[in-house]
Amino acid sequence: NAGVTQTPKFQVLKTGQSMTLQCAQDMNHEYMSWYRQDPGMGLRLIHYSVGAGITDQGEVPNGYNVSRSTTEDFPLRLLSAAPSQTSVYFCASSYSSHSGTEAFFGQGTRLTVV
Amino acid sequence: GENVEQHPSTLSVQEGDSAVIKCTYSDSASNYFPWYKQELGKGPQLIIDIRSNVGEKKDQRIAVTLNKTAKHFSLHITETQPEDSAVYFCAASTPNSGYALNFGKGTSLLVTP
Repeated sequence: NAGVTQTPKFQVLKTGQSMTLQCAQDMNHEYMSWYRQDPGMGLRLIHYSVGAGITDQGEVPNGYNVSRSTTEDFPLRLLSAAPSQTSVYFCASSYSSHSGTEAFFGQGTRLTVV
Repeated sequence: GENVEQHPSTLSVQEGDSAVIKCTYSDSASNYFPWYKQELGKGPQLIIDIRSNVGEKKDQRIAVTLNKTAKHFSLHITETQPEDSAVYFCAASTPNSGYALNFGKGTSLLVTP
């Protein structure tokens, strides 16, 4: 049982390049979400999904795309990387619930855009 | 959208003392309030949570209180130990957004021996 797995752990991109951050969970969780963490800003929600085929925007969605074709995977795409997207990215998953349940986080992807 | 404010941003206590971190939220629809601990280089991990139908919850040295009317909730750590040193985040969430988390900006707790 691996939990939430994020790849890669580290990445350096040039401005304008595109890439996909991968997130996979093996806990059969319906809910998945992406956050970015910047110094002094806490974690901010980028996009989230309540099930396969359903996604929605969070607080800071601009510059990012997501899709959810399977329950297990929730990739985050940067179409044209900008220096402002330099950050640590975390993916999380949780069971669906009427009252909230623990979100399990991956180890993060540290992205630098130069 | 939901706005979560967290104070203080840094907190230094001596081993054995208590630590209190306070958060406020804005969306009255929020009904799930978890607290996460993050150690350097790792993802956040849940330490305790509370739901809106409960006013207080305790787990050994950690307790959380919730005041729905005032829209604030607090984390209390008693008998602090050096291994409690970390960054702590409060969060609020609603069923309307799949319980995706709205985080406070974090509190860096340092427990000195």
